[in-house]
Amino acid sequence: DSGVTQTPKHLITATGQRVTLRCSPRSGDLSVYWYQQSLDQGLQFLIQYYNGEERAKGNILERFSAQQFPDLHSELNLSSLELGDSALYFCASSPSSGNTIYFGEGSWLTVV
Amino acid sequence: AQSVAQPEDQVNVAEGNPLTVKCTYSVSGNPYLFWYVQYPNRGLQFLLKYITGDNLVKGSYGFEAEFNKSQTSFHLKKPSALVSDSALYFCAVADQTGANNLFFGTGTRLTVIP
Repeated sequence: DSGVTQTPKHLITATGQRVTLRCSPRSGDLSVYWYQQSLDQGLQFLIQYYNGEERAKGNILERFSAQQFPDLHSELNLSSLELGDSALYFCASSPSSGNTIYFGEGSWLTVV
Repeated sequence: AQSVAQPEDQVNVAEGNPLTVKCTYSVSGNPYLFWYVQYPNRGLQFLLKYITGDNLVKGSYGFEAEFNKSQTSFHLKKPSALVSDSALYFCAVADQTGANNLFFGTGTRLTVIP
């Protein structure tokens, strides 16, 4: 158990809908990362937050957004969902001064 | 820009034999390199990392990796494979800009044959 908690574990939704994925980082970790894992794109970095502020942006679509709250949990919002958004979405966290990133179990999103 | 290549999609090895999963990297500056493992329907588990120091890095579950600067490689190794080692293995390099996010290779599926 990495200590990173993600909910929900599985989610099935229709095209055009909006979903929110939630992440609680490891205790004490200030950085939160979101990654997408799909068959055709592999593991892609989406976005990183550090202590509530956006730190880095990767291949995140404009339909997607994220935020990190004062209690350091983070949410990834996916809107106007398309079939191609079906993927495993990982949250990860790291210590403020460390380099090792620890991953949650992921949230499986299926868009039908 | 940093990148990682895992040249083998699939590696098969007999139980008890040594295993190697290959990784090469491209990065400006000093590389921060990682190996993660993903078991079916599970998240990514950290195995080991190279930041600086000894070129041979020891990690979890008996795995080790050898950093080779001249060959820009960071191959994952284990002296004796177990059936339970069968999983998807990812090599990754850290962003050098300070953001600390990881860039992953495409993964190598390791199958250990009993």
